[in-house]
Amino acid sequence: DAKTTQPPSMDCAEGRAANLPCNHSTISGNEYVYWYRQIHSQGPQYIIHGLKNNETNEMASLIITEDRKSSTLILPHATLRDTAVYYCIVRVRGTTDSWGKLQFGAGTQVVVTP
Amino acid sequence: SAVISQKPSRDICQRGTSLTIQCQVDSQVTMMFWYRQQPGQSLTLIATANQGSEATYESGFVIDKFPISRPNLTFSTLTVSNMSPEDSSIYLCSVGRDSNSPLHFGNGTRLTVT
Repeated sequence: DAKTTQPPSMDCAEGRAANLPCNHSTISGNEYVYWYRQIHSQGPQYIIHGLKNNETNEMASLIITEDRKSSTLILPHATLRDTAVYYCIVRVRGTTDSWGKLQFGAGTQVVVTP
Repeated sequence: SAVISQKPSRDICQRGTSLTIQCQVDSQVTMMFWYRQQPGQSLTLIATANQGSEATYESGFVIDKFPISRPNLTFSTLTVSNMSPEDSSIYLCSVGRDSNSPLHFGNGTRLTVT
């Protein structure tokens, strides 16, 4: 699976948008970009995923570059509860015979400050 | 998303003993995965658990140390055998409904081996 590169940490002001970058320059055509976050002492929480189009849900937006070599997770209005480690993961598209695994990197520690 | 319950939520165990961790899901899921998160580290995939077949282990993990059962589509167990202090970690269960659905995580079992 393709590896991802994320900054180790980011600070963000409460109420502002948080833009989290991720590089995945070796991504293949059959690999999705997934984002999870892990708040202290909890299991990872699914945020969003995409293949090549931009995606938006109630939690965040995912912007994937046209060449798919990088992506940005956008938290539109960060709150103190968004403080967490955010993981960008490339996952192979599954088939009926095999499942794409989630292999976690180091992630980005995001701290939202008042 | 599925509701995932892990038991116990935490335990303190003696060196040389074994602990069995349970993962119960409130709906049928096709695939279950077991992860380990060592202190201050990211998640590492231990194995993939299919119902009715042997678990598939990642490099560095063996069945004798981490036997897994998957008796039905809503339940799995992971045993940490012959424990040493190096096994002190959070062990997490993850589930997916089908090959292209997001995976969801339980809140983990925090294990301390003394």
